[in-house]
Amino acid sequence: QVQLQQSGPGLVRPSQTLSLTCVISGDRVSSLTGAWTWIRQSPLRGLEWLGRTYFRSRWVIDYGVSVRGRIIINADTSKNQFSLQLKSVTREDTAVYYCAGETLGRGLDPWGQGTLVSVSS
Amino acid sequence: DIQMTQSPSSLSASVGDRVTIICRASQGVSRFLNWFQVKPGKAPKLLIYGASSLPSGVPSRFIGTESGTEFTLTISNLQPEDFATYYCQQSYSVPYSFGQGTNLEIK
Repeated sequence: QVQLQQSGPGLVRPSQTLSLTCVISGDRVSSLTGAWTWIRQSPLRGLEWLGRTYFRSRWVIDYGVSVRGRIIINADTSKNQFSLQLKSVTREDTAVYYCAGETLGRGLDPWGQGTLVSVSS
Repeated sequence: DIQMTQSPSSLSASVGDRVTIICRASQGVSRFLNWFQVKPGKAPKLLIYGASSLPSGVPSRFIGTESGTEFTLTISNLQPEDFATYYCQQSYSVPYSFGQGTNLEIK
């Protein structure tokens, strides 16, 4: 059974970088059938797909439209985890951030426990 | 990029009712359409993938159908635990996108 455990700060100052990590158990981040995704949820925007990474013969990274240019998603095979960095945050980036796994074609499942990140001075 | 439009945005119903939520894609997504249930303070739960397939453990009262670019989530015999917010999501092409959500409330 695949499980995801998120970690990272719950408060980030405006203009700083939001950083979150998701540790995978029960699968490998370099799995040839999996993909690893970041999503956020806010009252204003609902669910928002931020981006994903996966490995086939090379690492592939895709980013969502609203955060393109500010986001970096990385995988760390030595720690079996993937991470999110969101630069130059504003109050509009305040949200619950989730990591999720996907076996391609079978939807996003499982999900991490979620991290409420507030952007405030 | 593919836009997903959900309707209605909110819905009131009673225990035992049947409700329908519609999701329209701005272009074809084949059957790469998923439905999620979201409750306050909990991670989203995958209800349906591939337009009509139920993951293990999801009750059969949740039914997904597809007709071209229009997808429907029907919940029969509503149970108290079904009152939540529901989202569709296309996983056909990146960037993946969600609908705006449908808030299902108790009447």
